[in-house]
Amino acid sequence: EVQLVQSGGGLIQPGGSLRLSCVVSGFTNYEMNWVRQAPGKGLEWVSYISTSGDAMYYADSVKGRFTISRDNAKNSLYLQMNSLRAEDTAIYYCVTGTHDSWGQGTLVTVSS
Amino acid sequence: DVVMTQSPLSLSVTLGQPASISCRSSQSLVSSDGDSYLHWFQQRPGQSPRRLIYKVSNRDSGVPDRFSGSGSGTDFTLNISRVEAEDVGVYYCMQDTHWPPETFGQGTKVEIK
Repeated sequence: EVQLVQSGGGLIQPGGSLRLSCVVSGFTNYEMNWVRQAPGKGLEWVSYISTSGDAMYYADSVKGRFTISRDNAKNSLYLQMNSLRAEDTAIYYCVTGTHDSWGQGTLVTVSS
Repeated sequence: DVVMTQSPLSLSVTLGQPASISCRSSQSLVSSDGDSYLHWFQQRPGQSPRRLIYKVSNRDSGVPDRFSGSGSGTDFTLNISRVEAEDVGVYYCMQDTHWPPETFGQGTKVEIK
């Protein structure tokens, strides 16, 4: 069974930057996504990366501000978040490409 | 982008009674390979989402057989044959036939009456 363990997150001021990490067992076989959930709201897809890292896609709401990446040697997925806004406040989940495994989630709060 | 519309948004069910959640997409979810990439997720209070059903009607490992999915084209349904206390939570449909972006329904909150 694949395991996804997330880290990063926290309280950050508007305009600030933050990097989320996700360590995945058996990582190299998986395409990966980031999905977020604003407080009390539904699920929103944020970004996708292919197994090799040569294909990446982003939601319009984060395009140009967020960067997804991976380090297969470290079994790790990342989300670099820049120019953060209040509306980016959410729990962020790393998710396998087939959506059959989810991380525990990490809360990002953007507030002054 | 494909819009996913769930109904109802809230459901109060008596233990042991059936429940049904509808999910409609703004365009057909049949892909070029003939499959429909419509999936269902359960999110219990305070937990991460969990996939229940993939590609319309395939139950994930460990998912009780009281959960079933059906539908085609633009109309899909998640059925719970006999609701149990552990089924309380929010249920989401999601499509990734037409992506990016993959899109989720608004969620349906299931509670026990």
